[in-house]
Amino acid sequence: QKEVEQDPGPLSVPEGAIVSLNCTYSNSAFQYFMWYRQYSRKGPELLMYTYSSGNKEDGRFTAQVDKSSKYISLFIRDSQPSDSATYLCAIYNFNKFYFGSGTKLNVKP
Amino acid sequence: DVKVTQSSRYLVKRTGEKVFLECVQDMDHENMFWYRQDPGLGLRLIYFSYDVKMKEKGDIPEGYSVSREKKERFSLILESASTNQTSMYLCASSPGGKAFFGQGTRLTVV
Repeated sequence: QKEVEQDPGPLSVPEGAIVSLNCTYSNSAFQYFMWYRQYSRKGPELLMYTYSSGNKEDGRFTAQVDKSSKYISLFIRDSQPSDSATYLCAIYNFNKFYFGSGTKLNVKP
Repeated sequence: DVKVTQSSRYLVKRTGEKVFLECVQDMDHENMFWYRQDPGLGLRLIYFSYDVKMKEKGDIPEGYSVSREKKERFSLILESASTNQTSMYLCASSPGGKAFFGQGTRLTVV
């Protein structure tokens, strides 16, 4: 079983929609959770970082960790065409990072 | 802001050449990583380093070596480039808990 699983999509939504991106993970001991945004032919950019459980909000983005079901989510409100990118979830544990395969998001004008 | 700089955005090299990819970070992070990213395979760890002159093999170290002589610089070396090493190479640095990536080097081996 992989440490983190992510639906690759692609996901296509109209501008202004609420987007929900999700990952599941295998080890209940994981504590550090991240979301990255990666534009085509660029490196991943750290978008959200959460320690332990709960919600974290930054502008139109909300990261949520549900440790009871080992589920992490990224919500994007009022999505914009500039949000079109691949989003990767990631987990850190003892000097190692585990990355989801990425979900490709397309926001149509 | 953390800055991780990779020496080249695009490289084209010939089969058999020795290739050096350089990465520099400006935040005094202990940990540095080299990944390659291929469609359908995601990010795969090649090597990482948790201190100067220290290195550990990742999941796919074959055909690669690394060097970390100074804390801020982590180099990836392809000893004899092959076409199956054509890929996007990503360097990252980390203080622990989160990683910061460079802009990536798209390497094509012909």
